[in-house]
Amino acid sequence: GEEVAQTPKHLVRGEGQKAKLYCAPIKGHSYVFWYQQVLKNEFKFLISFQNENVFDETGMPKERFSAKCLPNSPCSLEIQATKLEDSAVYFCASSPSGQGTYNEQFFGPGTRLTVL
Amino acid sequence: RKEVEQDPGPFNVPEGATVAFNCTYSNSASQSFFWYRQDCRKEPKLLMSVYSSGNEDGRFTAQLNRASQYISLLIRDSKLSDSATYLCVVNGWASGTYKYIFGTGTRLKVLA
Repeated sequence: GEEVAQTPKHLVRGEGQKAKLYCAPIKGHSYVFWYQQVLKNEFKFLISFQNENVFDETGMPKERFSAKCLPNSPCSLEIQATKLEDSAVYFCASSPSGQGTYNEQFFGPGTRLTVL
Repeated sequence: RKEVEQDPGPFNVPEGATVAFNCTYSNSASQSFFWYRQDCRKEPKLLMSVYSSGNEDGRFTAQLNRASQYISLLIRDSKLSDSATYLCVVNGWASGTYKYIFGTGTRLKVLA
């Protein structure tokens, strides 16, 4: 598609439950990025993919967070055993090429996760 | 010290005013620079890439000063619809790869 699509728009989970978020990048874009935006506008990088391969996962809290980008499927970000501090808006972005010079990223509408 | 710093504002300006935002970055190896606009917790939308020579798009002008490590955004003839948070984003080298590093944003309110 022409835009990055993210589902669901809102997700509410009880503490300890699993949450799964989906992202479909812009058609033809090779790179996918996941960010977490908490209060006060702070964006935290989580993970990036080059096609179905993990490109950079240095931002991922590995014990509970996992992500995949499989061929012909939306990318996914899964949080096992959610905690209150996971409440945030999770944005997916895609880029036609990697994180080199002048590679603009285009963002999806985000998934708002609320952990109660 | 944060890697990308912005004045959080808010900047309250009347319609028609000119307003300028600055953003400083700490990593001198940073390669590319962007201004994004974010409305009320919606997704960031790319406003402008910032080039060394400076660039202009209608009422918006972006400048890069590599020596002093800052980027600026100038908005002329402000409209009510310009009210938003403006995010400075730097593509910088961190942990072995280039990463988008976000400022915390500057809030602009254009008043009628």
